[in-house]
Amino acid sequence: NAGVMQNPRHLVRRRGQEARLRCSPMKGHSHVYWYRQLPEEGLKFMVYLQKENIIDESGMPKERFSAEFPKEGPSILRIQQVVRGDSAAYFCASSTGRQETQYFGPGTRLLVL
Amino acid sequence: GQQVMQIPQYQHVQEGEDFTTYCNSSTTLSNIQWYKQRPGGHPVFLIQLVKSGEVKKQKRLTFQFGEAKKNSSLHITATQTTDVGTYFCAGITWGYGNKLVFGAGTILRVKS
Repeated sequence: NAGVMQNPRHLVRRRGQEARLRCSPMKGHSHVYWYRQLPEEGLKFMVYLQKENIIDESGMPKERFSAEFPKEGPSILRIQQVVRGDSAAYFCASSTGRQETQYFGPGTRLLVL
Repeated sequence: GQQVMQIPQYQHVQEGEDFTTYCNSSTTLSNIQWYKQRPGGHPVFLIQLVKSGEVKKQKRLTFQFGEAKKNSSLHITATQTTDVGTYFCAGITWGYGNKLVFGAGTILRVKS
């Protein structure tokens, strides 16, 4: 059973470009979470989605960030007009329910030049 | 809103010494989970505690859930270099969106 998959693993963007991060949850998991982590810091919750619905986006910046989890295909975290401060590791996790164990993907390391 | 706090933020120990990280919640938790993240890696689930006063062991790791279900601890006996990483606790409180809230983590470094 494949784990949570994220791609790309590393992404380099110049300021002003767009970044698209993809997450495929574990088979049978319909709950997806996105977290951001700066070096030597903790996990900051961004958004929680179920298929086709955003359940909780309280951790998402108001501008430039958006997330979706379509009926078919992976969940996408999209960052428009990236700035240097967006450089971080972005982790996706999935679960079978909102209180269940979350299984994390390997993360996407975003570097904004 | 719900807050989960962890202390210490960093801990450097000599190999063979014990290590403990503490987790405290501002609200009563329905359960608490612990995760480990190796340097450069991703968080990996270790264990879940549900009952008041519950104690669980995994080899040299002992996990405890407080009687009031507002605090938890992870104790590692005789640390090894393989224990290096960041240990996160994460708790769920009924009524706060029922979502897992992570502590900031404790970074453990082990000197050999």
